[in-house]
Amino acid sequence: GESVGLHLPTLSVQEGDNSIINCAYSNSASDYFIWYKQESGKGPQFIIDIRSNMDKRQGQRVTVLLNKTVKHLSLQIAATQPGDSAVYFCAENSPRGGYNKLIFGAGTRLAVHP
Amino acid sequence: EAGVTQFPSHSVIEKGQTVTLRCDPISGHDNLYWYRRVMGKEIKFLLHFVKESKQDESGMPNNRFLAERTGGTYSTLKVQPAELEDSGVYFCASSPDPSGEKLFFGSGTQLSVL
Repeated sequence: GESVGLHLPTLSVQEGDNSIINCAYSNSASDYFIWYKQESGKGPQFIIDIRSNMDKRQGQRVTVLLNKTVKHLSLQIAATQPGDSAVYFCAENSPRGGYNKLIFGAGTRLAVHP
Repeated sequence: EAGVTQFPSHSVIEKGQTVTLRCDPISGHDNLYWYRRVMGKEIKFLLHFVKESKQDESGMPNNRFLAERTGGTYSTLKVQPAELEDSGVYFCASSPDPSGEKLFFGSGTQLSVL
């Protein structure tokens, strides 16, 4: 399943499926991007990051893709598990923020069903 | 190693009252940030301390908000007098470097102003 930023804030997937969470950013000069996962009652936790000189980076079961041409960032989660249920935030280190703070998106909720 | 801790986890106050939130960063982290998430919207930057100095307070909404970090260790964020629109989750984060990139977040303080 896929989601697109603010227009589809909830993504529902079946356990075992792959999930794709999308994020659009506005500033082409942003040079660092990061995904956070926030579970209920907890603070955002780092998942994976990527710099603008890369277009793909892989972690454990997660991959971040960066398309600078269309200013799009995505988080792919392989074999989604119930423990992946959370709100996922993308963030950028943008010149709009002075490059010294993160600018967050509104988040996408991922709901994993058995 | 202890993470970022915030106190209280929840606070319910009436409009016009004062509330003080506390954040203890990870030991040794000179950089401390306050962010907040209001009404399920995006997480927004409030301010950034480097040790005891305010590096950037451009996100502070108005003069009802006062942040301090005396001694460069823990920080407090006071809201006086609180208004209804101040309700939300206030997150503290710390980092060993000033780039504002990979932040370690606390669990947040859920503030409800009635």
